[in-house]
Amino acid sequence: DTAVSQTPKYLVTQMGNDKSIKCEQNLGHDTMYWYKQDSKKFLKIMFSYNNKELIINETVPNRFSPKSPDKAHLNLHINSLELGDSAVYFCASSPMGSTDTQYFGPGTRLTVL
Amino acid sequence: GENVEQHPSTLSVQEGDSAVIKCTYSDSASNYFPWYKQELGKGPQLIIDIRSNVGEKKDQRIAVTLNKTAKHFSLHITETQPEDSAVYFCAASRRGNDYKLSFGAGTTVTVRA
Repeated sequence: DTAVSQTPKYLVTQMGNDKSIKCEQNLGHDTMYWYKQDSKKFLKIMFSYNNKELIINETVPNRFSPKSPDKAHLNLHINSLELGDSAVYFCASSPMGSTDTQYFGPGTRLTVL
Repeated sequence: GENVEQHPSTLSVQEGDSAVIKCTYSDSASNYFPWYKQELGKGPQLIIDIRSNVGEKKDQRIAVTLNKTAKHFSLHITETQPEDSAVYFCAASRRGNDYKLSFGAGTTVTVRA
């Protein structure tokens, strides 16, 4: 059984387009996250949701808008894509908060041309 | 906020030898220190973690030590095998409403056969 799943795995698009990445967890966790991993492998938190409520918004441009329709889903919508948005985006979840184990999805590689 | 520094950035070891990765953190209130392993094309996976009330934890060939006074913690891998080749990340977080897990920059470990 897949614990944290993301779709799509690869996303190639043109500058200026709008795209979405979906994330689902079947672990019954309360908290979900989005991370961005750049070309140097650095992992940086973008957003955190706890029980559908936004907890962290780490100085991410407002072109990025997370949406949590329910506790099991946290989708990421990106407007007006820029070259610098190219990265691997990881969704993760944890039972409660940051002092619990975070389980990561397989990642979505976004390439903006 | 928390700042986690990780060294070295790359590590090459002969199969069977030990590997040690060191991290330092800045926030003395941090109390949870996980280590993640990321294989090529996959999401980070937790391999071991330690909380601030424990000085050392071991799981088979992997061990983590924590020095709260010096604010540093280390990952030790003994009897390395080719499948240990991956990128390893340390992280730190603290209890409370802050759901943020701050990651180190990662260490690329290569085990030479």
